[in-house]
Amino acid sequence: ETGVTQSPTHLIKTRGQQVTLRCSSQSGHNTVSWYQQALGQGPQFIFQYYREEENGRGNFPPRFSGLQFPNYSSELNVNALELDDSALYLCASSLDLAGGTQEQFFGPGTRLTVL
Amino acid sequence: AQRVTQPEKLLSVFKGAPVELKCNYSYSGSPELFWYVQYSRQRLQLLLRHISRESIKGFTADLNKGETSFHLKKPFAQEEDSAMYYCALRGGGADGLTFGKGTHLIIQP
Repeated sequence: ETGVTQSPTHLIKTRGQQVTLRCSSQSGHNTVSWYQQALGQGPQFIFQYYREEENGRGNFPPRFSGLQFPNYSSELNVNALELDDSALYLCASSLDLAGGTQEQFFGPGTRLTVL
Repeated sequence: AQRVTQPEKLLSVFKGAPVELKCNYSYSGSPELFWYVQYSRQRLQLLLRHISRESIKGFTADLNKGETSFHLKKPFAQEEDSAMYYCALRGGGADGLTFGKGTHLIIQP
């Protein structure tokens, strides 16, 4: 059983650019969530995907978008990057069952720096 | 709006001393509460969740709905407990986790 993986590890972009971050879910998981963690803060929920559909979203603007693929891997896309988007982006996968959501397993994160 | 507050940014205790990491929350319904831990150079991982009512690595946490608290406790701290601890809440449905800002726990020898 492999854990959650994310790529790339680090990324540097300039303001106004677009970025795509990738996540590979843990084997057997059907749900992926993305979080933004600014320095000195706790992770903040961006959105969640279940069976390739976004089914939950935090307080983030539409320029944050995502995809989940049939193999349950996922992408986070951010358009028109702003300096405040500099953060650690965490992906978490879980197995959602009819009885409720199970434990979320986190990836190591992608460190995005916007200059 | 739901919120999680961890009042202590840093907590330093001596090995063998009791530890209590505070967590207070605000939520209008019945939330699910969690404690996550991040050891140095490791990823965030679940320590315990209130519905399990377990003791993990000697840690326990009791949900007090009256005081809207979910404090994490351990009677005798060990050096390997040094880590960043995050309290988190989930409301329901497809809600993601709402995290506090975290408490950095340092266990001194």
